[in-house]
Amino acid sequence: KQEVTQIPAALSVPEGENLVLNCSFTDSAIYNLQWFRQDPGKGLTSLLLIQSSQREQTSGRLNASLDKSSGRSTLYIAASQPGDSATYLCAVSTGANNLFFGTGTRLTVIP
Amino acid sequence: EPEVTQTPSHQVTQMGQEVILRCVPISNHLYFYWYRQILGQKVEFLVSFYNNEISEKSEIFDDQFSVERPDGSNFTLKIRSTKLEDSAMYFCASSGAALGKLFFGSGTQLSVL
Repeated sequence: KQEVTQIPAALSVPEGENLVLNCSFTDSAIYNLQWFRQDPGKGLTSLLLIQSSQREQTSGRLNASLDKSSGRSTLYIAASQPGDSATYLCAVSTGANNLFFGTGTRLTVIP
Repeated sequence: EPEVTQTPSHQVTQMGQEVILRCVPISNHLYFYWYRQILGQKVEFLVSFYNNEISEKSEIFDDQFSVERPDGSNFTLKIRSTKLEDSAMYFCASSGAALGKLFFGSGTQLSVL
């Protein structure tokens, strides 16, 4: 069964700093990988989707990379802002019509 | 921007009672999902639905659970006889393509007493 792990569980950085969130998965036979943002008491917002054939995706200050063979993905956030404070979730699809989620990284950006 | 709408936002029920959680997916989407998140745990897949039938379901989705698309806009999750361990945030999601980007609703917080 696919297991998804995210490190660190929590991260606190000063505003303006660049940061990297990590995601690892045990089964490299994935179809795609998504990064989501979750605000307290709210739903999940999809940030980036990387297909298994891709190495990275960018959206604004966010860049996600994928190394399928090693079972790793990173989410890079440039010039962090207090509004980036949220929990970031990584999820992989193995080709069946569902997603396996990690436990998330809770990010706090200090003004 | 189109969004997935879930009602109610909070539901409190007694153990053994039936509950129906409601969702309105994005209008041109064809793939629908239910996920849940128990407090402090991972988001877990429950069921996917396409072309008016279940396409995939997890071990959690036992005989006490059912889904329905009663009309062209709503997608519901029914729990027939709720248990304490069903207490969780239930998320509905939809997608315009198989294995595509998922759009999630804000969730229904279900509390079983």
